[in-house]
Amino acid sequence: DGGITQSPKYLFRKEGQNVTLSCEQNLNHDAMYWYRQDPGQGLRLIYYSQIVNDFQKGDIAEGYSVSREKKESFPLTVTSAQKNPTAFYLCASSRVGGGVYEQYFGPGTRLTVT
Amino acid sequence: KNEVEQSPQNLTAQEGEFITINCSYSVGISALHWLQQHPGGGIVSLFMLSSGKKKHGRLIATINIQEKHSSLHITASHPRDSAVYICAVRTYNTDKLIFGTGTRLQVFP
Repeated sequence: DGGITQSPKYLFRKEGQNVTLSCEQNLNHDAMYWYRQDPGQGLRLIYYSQIVNDFQKGDIAEGYSVSREKKESFPLTVTSAQKNPTAFYLCASSRVGGGVYEQYFGPGTRLTVT
Repeated sequence: KNEVEQSPQNLTAQEGEFITINCSYSVGISALHWLQQHPGGGIVSLFMLSSGKKKHGRLIATINIQEKHSSLHITASHPRDSAVYICAVRTYNTDKLIFGTGTRLQVFP
């Protein structure tokens, strides 16, 4: 089945540690996105990538880093510089081109930092 | 003021009721999305529309571009419709999505 996988579903870390969240898609989509969801707020864009080896900062990129070495994979690292890392993180992907395309979302990773 | 506003924030209904969730936006858009988020957290795209009306089963989405408003209707609601419904707009100039804060729907048997 085609889709997006994120692992793990729940992740616990101590403050001061970097942590990497995995996102893999087999939809052959060029674009991939990372969003953060906090209670009472809409999803906010962290980083996005429209092509391998290229990515752009979203609205809340501070304290995060990404890489896009393969089309299928877009891992997100939450660094110790991120002041409030506890949140629900969602990865998405979509086609790119001249039209408007839907974004397909993964199941999410809930990160808790104590 | 948020660029995408949804109402109501919370909604409870009895099984069988007709449900309406509203979304207003203040930016120029190329498309509007309605998404469904179940308690586990995963998000499913329900509709993407840029004009008029779309229907999938018991779900209907409408958009009025002039009034910058969209509605999601659920006919004959069922407990399995209980979820958070999220409106998101794709901005015309940046091509990014801006999300509303969601409407939490609970349908009781």
